[in-house]
Amino acid sequence: SQTIHQWPATLVQPVGSPLSLECTVEGTSNPNLYWYRQAAGRGLQLLFYSVGIGQISSEVPQNLSASRPQDRQFILSSKKLLLSDSGFYLCAWSPGLVLYNEQFFGPGTRLTVL
Amino acid sequence: QQQVKQSPQSLIVQKGGISIINCAYENTAFDYFPWYQQFPGKGPALLIAIRPDVSEKKEGRFTISFNKSAKQFSLHIMDSQPGDSATYFCAAGGKAAGNKLTFGGGTRVLVKP
Repeated sequence: SQTIHQWPATLVQPVGSPLSLECTVEGTSNPNLYWYRQAAGRGLQLLFYSVGIGQISSEVPQNLSASRPQDRQFILSSKKLLLSDSGFYLCAWSPGLVLYNEQFFGPGTRLTVL
Repeated sequence: QQQVKQSPQSLIVQKGGISIINCAYENTAFDYFPWYQQFPGKGPALLIAIRPDVSEKKEGRFTISFNKSAKQFSLHIMDSQPGDSATYFCAAGGKAAGNKLTFGGGTRVLVKP
């Protein structure tokens, strides 16, 4: 069966510090991968998605970047965090090369920027 | 064209009652409509999904009703239980949407014992 991991689970960082969040998927090959951000009490905002190694699409202009160095690894980064980067970050995967977009979410990372 | 509107924002129901959440979409190319359940501090979990070739899908106490002509779909939670208290998100996607889902804004459901 497929599993998705995210770490760290929680993170408190000062403004201006760098960020690296990691997501890995097990039990599948060639998944589509996604990064979402969820502000407190709000919906899901798609930040980035990837259909393959090195292929990243950005949905919104922002202070963050994403990379996919391996087939089942997706990384969210920032060089300098802003207060507005605080939120709950969710990674998701869906089977590649299929018609429908069943997405499965990871446990999330709670980021607080102080 | 990509928006999915969800209502209500919050809902309180007594144990044993029916919870109803509605969503409306604009893009007629959408052909996949999932619902997700999210507990506080956890990632959303896929609950149930429907494709437009059927008007209703039932899994246990959860039912999706789909109205293609009105571009609306809804989630019914029958015999609501306190353990159903969570935030529910509808979404829409499909081949025409590439590899992405468009999510509604969420509904916080509280089931009172």
